[in-house]
Formats: sequence, structure tokens, C-alpha cells
Amino acid sequence: DAKTTQPPSMDCAEGRAANLPCNHSTISGNEYVYWYRQIHSQGPQYIIHGLKNNETNEMASLIITEDRKSSTLILPHATLRDTAVYYCIVRVAPFTGNQFYFGTGTSLTVIP
Amino acid sequence: GAVVSQHPSRVICKSGTSVKIECRSLDFQATTMFWYRQFPKQSLMLMATSNEGSKATYEQGVEKDKFLINHASLTLSTLTVTSAHPEDSSFYICSARPLSTGTEQFFGPGTRLTVL
Repeated sequence: DAKTTQPPSMDCAEGRAANLPCNHSTISGNEYVYWYRQIHSQGPQYIIHGLKNNETNEMASLIITEDRKSSTLILPHATLRDTAVYYCIVRVAPFTGNQFYFGTGTSLTVIP
Repeated sequence: GAVVSQHPSRVICKSGTSVKIECRSLDFQATTMFWYRQFPKQSLMLMATSNEGSKATYEQGVEKDKFLINHASLTLSTLTVTSAHPEDSSFYICSARPLSTGTEQFFGPGTRLTVL
């Protein structure tokens, strides 16, 4: 029950911004949007999360639409090390079960 | 901070034997840990939720008698694959939710199990 839809793959030129979309049209009012990424044969790495406001940290920015039905993860200056599968996950607020159900993700390839 | 380790990182065993995988939160306490399985070129599939001091909660279709989970302390959970068969060969990943925040999960590096 992933509840999110992402394009299966994307390419991005090194040094350019990578914009990864995610559709979560059935998101509930108390569900957060989380982004993780998984480099080949490693465990997923936390990137960022948000509820309704846009968020930014040292890794990325998260833009959530006003109706919260979709979001975009932005890697401002993609490097080759950003090549990975990116997962968008929605889940309820903290301290309430907290299971993560992963969808199929987007395989991002950063091209030199 | 927020480091999760798994041991072993890679294991090969014979069909019919049991294999134990450890998941440790190294610098934080975690009341809840999660176990995932990932087959090649597929996404992570949640297997079970492990709560310290209580029985694990298994996802639908996951055999609790085959995948034994023990969460004896706030920093350690173990997954034992009993009577392993070649179809159990997979990448097993654990994650832990910090007791202090509960907002994120931190994932281990994974364990590659190959059953011959």
C-alpha cells in the first residue's frame, strides 16, 4: 500500500538541478511526505520530509503543492554520487505506528 | 549520529540451515525496529515491525514461524531465517526509529543472504 506514484527513471546532467516528482493524491491531513534514496546494494538514506510547508536542508529541497497531492524533491546541483533510486513515502505523524511502505521509486542517473 | 549496523553484511548458507541477522542502533535507543526484504531490481518490502519487549507484528504473507524476530533490548533486534531455502535469498534491511524523536527511520546497510 505505497500510496505514491513516481516515474520509474530519470536522467540529469551533472551540475544541473534534479527535480523528482511524486504524486500522492490520496494523502491524508496527518500524513507527512518523506524522501529516501538508496544507492545500489546499500540501505536507504534519509533525505528530507515535510507536512505542508516547503522544506530545505543541506541535501535537498522539498516542494509540496498547496493541495498536498504532489511534491517535488530538488537536488540543486546533482553530482555523480547522487545516482540512486529515490523513494517518496507518505506516512502518518510520528509516534503512531510509523511503518514505511516503499513504492517502486525513481531511478535517477546523473550523467557526466 | 543515528547509525544502524547489521551483521553479517553477507552470508552464504546451505539449504535447510538457519541464519541469524543482527540489527543494532549504535548511538541511539530504538523502541521500534523494522525488517525489510528486497529482491533484485525490486523495492523494499516491509516484513515485520519489532517492538522492544513484545512480539513482532508481521505483514500479511510473511510467515512468523519462518522469520523469527527478537527485540531483546533498545539497541538490538535479530531476524532468524529458519530452514532457509534458495527462494529466501535476498537483501535483508533493518531500520530503527529513535526513541527520542520518532520522526525518521534510520536504515542499516543491509545483509545479503544467499542460500545454496
